[in-house]
Amino acid sequence: NAGVTQTPKFQVLKTGQSMTLQCAQDMNHNSMYWYRQDPGMGLRLIYYSASEGTTDKGEVPNGYNVSRLNKREFSLRLESAAPSQTSVYFCASERGGGYGYTFGSGTRLTVV
Amino acid sequence: QQPVQSPQAVILREGEDAVINCSSSKALYSVHWYRQKHGEAPVFLMILLKGGEQKGHDKISASFNEKKQQSSLYLTASQLSYSGTYFCGTEGNAGGTSYGKLTFGQGTILTVHP
Repeated sequence: NAGVTQTPKFQVLKTGQSMTLQCAQDMNHNSMYWYRQDPGMGLRLIYYSASEGTTDKGEVPNGYNVSRLNKREFSLRLESAAPSQTSVYFCASERGGGYGYTFGSGTRLTVV
Repeated sequence: QQPVQSPQAVILREGEDAVINCSSSKALYSVHWYRQKHGEAPVFLMILLKGGEQKGHDKISASFNEKKQQSSLYLTASQLSYSGTYFCGTEGNAGGTSYGKLTFGQGTILTVHP
């Protein structure tokens, strides 16, 4: 099993450019999440999806949009990238029932 | 609101013990613990549900005091492989059910030397 797959692994954007970060899981999990990780700040929730067809804002949603395309895929879009969005982005999925989150390997994004 | 972890960093020699604490200002439904190696994704260690339970995972165990809204992670007889950053993730309690999403602490950097 691949688990949670994120693409791309690295990306450099210019200010104002747009891009979509892709995330797919093959574990049939209902819940999926997007977090960003910045030095000294832990992981902060951007958006989450409790089930196919639903999405909700997390702690830091400004500047981002998401799409839960189907049960497997949950994408994160930056419409107009800003230097403050330079970060490592992690997608995660959850089976529930005490099994914890499974994280993807992350996307390291730099906005110049 | 983000839970607070302490200490921010710990340096150990192999075989020594450590305790990492996680404290929240909100009522909690559960606490998760994760370990992240440098440049890698966080990996799930264990979950503790309300009720004050304690869990173990090899020589790593944890407790959860629901009334104090605190959890502690215990690492005994540390090994080199224990090095990494440890995060607690808290799940809020909404009238007996969970909010279903985690808020993570800022992390505790654990370094184990030979």
